Amino acid sequence: SQQGEEDPQALSIQEGENATMNCSYKTSINNLQWYRQNSGRGLVHLILIRSNEREKHSGRLRVTLDTSKKSSSLLITASRAADTASYFCAIISSGSRLTFGEGTQLTVNP
Amino acid sequence: DSGVTQTPKHLITATGQRVTLRCSPRSGDLSVYWYQQSLDQGLQFLIQYYNGEERAKGNILERFSAQQFPDLHSELNLSSLELGDSALYFCASSVWGVPNYGYTFGSGTRLTVV
Repeated sequence: SQQGEEDPQALSIQEGENATMNCSYKTSINNLQWYRQNSGRGLVHLILIRSNEREKHSGRLRVTLDTSKKSSSLLITASRAADTASYFCAIISSGSRLTFGEGTQLTVNP
Repeated sequence: DSGVTQTPKHLITATGQRVTLRCSPRSGDLSVYWYQQSLDQGLQFLIQYYNGEERAKGNILERFSAQQFPDLHSELNLSSLELGDSALYFCASSVWGVPNYGYTFGSGTRLTVV
């Protein structure tokens, strides 16, 4: 499959801790994107990292990209209960479509 | 509010029926994408339109069809519905035809086939 694959499938942490999610993929990419989905809701775009970038920050989010290992990680620092959601990485597969992985279910306990 | 509007939010219908899901993209976005999300299949890309023309096709069944109108809104038609078609259907939009920028998703239509 060309889609990104997230690891772990599920992650449970305490408020204030950091959460790290990983994404691996198999094809060459133009960019890799991370999305969040609250239960049963639409996906929200979090951050996009281009293939020539190694690290990107947005607020409490830090994304890294290692194209040699075909992997990316999303770090959420000082997590809050409101960060509880599913997190998906997405890559461009054939043509112009974004292909999503299975997601990581993050639970932040108060 | 993301700016992408999907209607209806919920739909319950019987097997064999036909339904139409509607999507209005964010103002200024020319590209519309349809995705299906089910528990066992995850997020599956169905089809993309760019400025009225079909741009890419994914795992869309022959019973499903879509179009994008001159005002850029899009409709996804699902016919001869089966129990397995029960899922969340999302529409997303972007400015260009290639995802060099993030997609903006609507809140989805939850389809239940009984």
